[in-house]
Amino acid sequence: QSALTQPRSVSGSPGQSVTISCTGTSGDIGNYRFVSWYQQYPGKAPNLMIYDVSRRPSGVPDRFSGSKSANTASLTISGLQAEDEADYYCCAYAGTNTFVVFGGGTKLTVL
Amino acid sequence: QVQLRESGPGLVKSSQTLSLTCTVSGDSISGDGFYWNWIRQPAGEGLDWIGRISASGSTNYNPSLKSRATISLDSSKTQFSLKVTSVTAADTAVYFCARWSTYDGMLDYWGQGMLVTVSS
Repeated sequence: QSALTQPRSVSGSPGQSVTISCTGTSGDIGNYRFVSWYQQYPGKAPNLMIYDVSRRPSGVPDRFSGSKSANTASLTISGLQAEDEADYYCCAYAGTNTFVVFGGGTKLTVL
Repeated sequence: QVQLRESGPGLVKSSQTLSLTCTVSGDSISGDGFYWNWIRQPAGEGLDWIGRISASGSTNYNPSLKSRATISLDSSKTQFSLKVTSVTAADTAVYFCARWSTYDGMLDYWGQGMLVTVSS
């Protein structure tokens, strides 16, 4: 069982927007700003999409955005494209010893 | 461009020790501001953090491994390694090495991953 809770799947049609939630606790998401999101295609390594709650690395389209409220972080993908179909994982810093915890992953299907 | 690459045996017998190495290019492991991590992913499942090591050799591990994991730095400062003792089928997974940036709190570079299968 993962430390962070994500929906197992979400779906949307091309051009639509979807939001993936990630619920943690006051010991991780609620206490630190280091929340990140990763996109993973089958058989590939995860790829950083969002860090520091809402910042995008260079090269990541601005269709991807992140936010946080209390113990829940969210990833929103607007203007869905077929290439966005992948698994998405949230990750939160949880202090020096626990370090990082992950969500169980959300499979995004573009209909 | 920073690159990481995992290497090691892809098949390990039950009760034996899993050993993997991550080779880092384009950056020095001895630099400040980063932690070097091992993360694994069983087939069809999510990501699981195993542990990390700093440039000074300080380590932290996921308690779920019950002290079976050890991460170390190579003297060449271009590699770091993972050992997991007393493996079982539950340790079968794709193992990734990744760099954590302490300034931005992110796993910004990942290796391609390596499947390790534990056989009976």
